[in-house]
Amino acid sequence: GEDVEQSLFLSVREGDSSVINCTYTDSSSTYLYWYKQEPGAGLQLLTYIFSNMDMKQDQRLTVLLNKKDKHLSLRIADTQTGDSAIYFCAASETSYDKVIFGPGTSLSVIP
Amino acid sequence: DTGVSQNPRHKITKRGQNVTFRCDPISEHNRLYWYRQTLGQGPEFLTYFQNEAQLEKSRLLSDRFSAERPKGSFSTLEIQRTEQGDSAMYLCASSLSGGIAYEQYFGPGTRLTVT
Repeated sequence: GEDVEQSLFLSVREGDSSVINCTYTDSSSTYLYWYKQEPGAGLQLLTYIFSNMDMKQDQRLTVLLNKKDKHLSLRIADTQTGDSAIYFCAASETSYDKVIFGPGTSLSVIP
Repeated sequence: DTGVSQNPRHKITKRGQNVTFRCDPISEHNRLYWYRQTLGQGPEFLTYFQNEAQLEKSRLLSDRFSAERPKGSFSTLEIQRTEQGDSAMYLCASSLSGGIAYEQYFGPGTRLTVT
């Protein structure tokens, strides 16, 4: 089955860019997601990318996909203290299939 | 619509007791999912329904776990003879199938503590 891996911690200074990396194993994963989880809050879908895309940009967020290497990254430009949270990389075969999550990357933004 | 709701938000129970959680999905969503999240981990898929039919169950879902969605609306997740290893956050999500909506909307979760 699918396995999603990501680094567990990232610390950046306010105003810098953050890059969170993720790898997945199942080439049949068609949909790749980034979710955000803040303390005491539910999971929030930040953005998604289809496997036939290389890049997707959405305001401060840029997602890059290297399908050959099964590598996904999330870049947050001009990182703010409000971006401090846990970010989950996730994958699914269809848009309504079960989602397989990575362990999460805890992003700390230093003022 | 106010989103996916889950009740209770917190549950503390003694080992060996049975517990039941409820999830109310977004009203027009026909798919409903249950996930479990332990501390420091990402959510793990447990099971999902399309309408009232349970379409897939993870091998994580032991015989002590049962989920139902009797009328294709709300769902319940019951854990019998709870064990300390069942302590986790239980998340419910809902979505539309066959449409252009790709998002699973997650509820706030039910935190279970087994003492």
